[in-house]
Amino acid sequence: GIQVEQSPPDLILQEGANSTLRCNFSDSVNNLQWFHQNPWGQLINLFYIPSGTKQNGRLSATTVATERYSLLYISSSQTTDSGVYFCAVGSSGYSTLTFGKGTMLLVSP
Amino acid sequence: DTAVSQTPKYLVTQMGNDKSIKCEQNLGHDTMYWYKQDSKKFLKIMFSYNNKELIINETVPNRFSPKSPDKAHLNLHINSLELGDSAVYFCASSRAAEAFFGQGTRLTVV
Repeated sequence: GIQVEQSPPDLILQEGANSTLRCNFSDSVNNLQWFHQNPWGQLINLFYIPSGTKQNGRLSATTVATERYSLLYISSSQTTDSGVYFCAVGSSGYSTLTFGKGTMLLVSP
Repeated sequence: DTAVSQTPKYLVTQMGNDKSIKCEQNLGHDTMYWYKQDSKKFLKIMFSYNNKELIINETVPNRFSPKSPDKAHLNLHINSLELGDSAVYFCASSRAAEAFFGQGTRLTVV
């Protein structure tokens, strides 16, 4: 099956810093999503982005499908950005998601 | 209004018991899923239902039985619970593309 690799596995930032999270995948996809799992365990949809670039406030994402990677940018990080960021891809008609192992982000004040 | 809701949020039970987790979505989606998140936070698909029909059943023990009474509901019944079943179980739904997840059910088997 499709492989999803995320980097870095862990990231510690000072409040106000910027960061880039990467997701590589091993095959063509028809679905790519970024999620934030907050400290309470909720999986929050950040982006549905099988290709192209999207922005939502301080967050933006870019997927280059032909090169099989996606990037999540977090600017001016805040302590509430802490948690685990997951990249998940789908390559079948019913779009079950294969998740990466996540990037654990800690933003300190 | 919550889009995908699961009950209960927490479940603590003894080994050998049978338990159910309920899931409902009000998004009008055709496809619903169960995912399992282990202690290392790795998320993996368990089941997928489309229009009440089982589409995908990953290598999950047959003690786990999903049931979909209608398109808006997908319940998970677990028989003879084992210590290794302790995990967070997430329900999700989608309409062929973007998936939305419930808040998760933390199952602890003691």
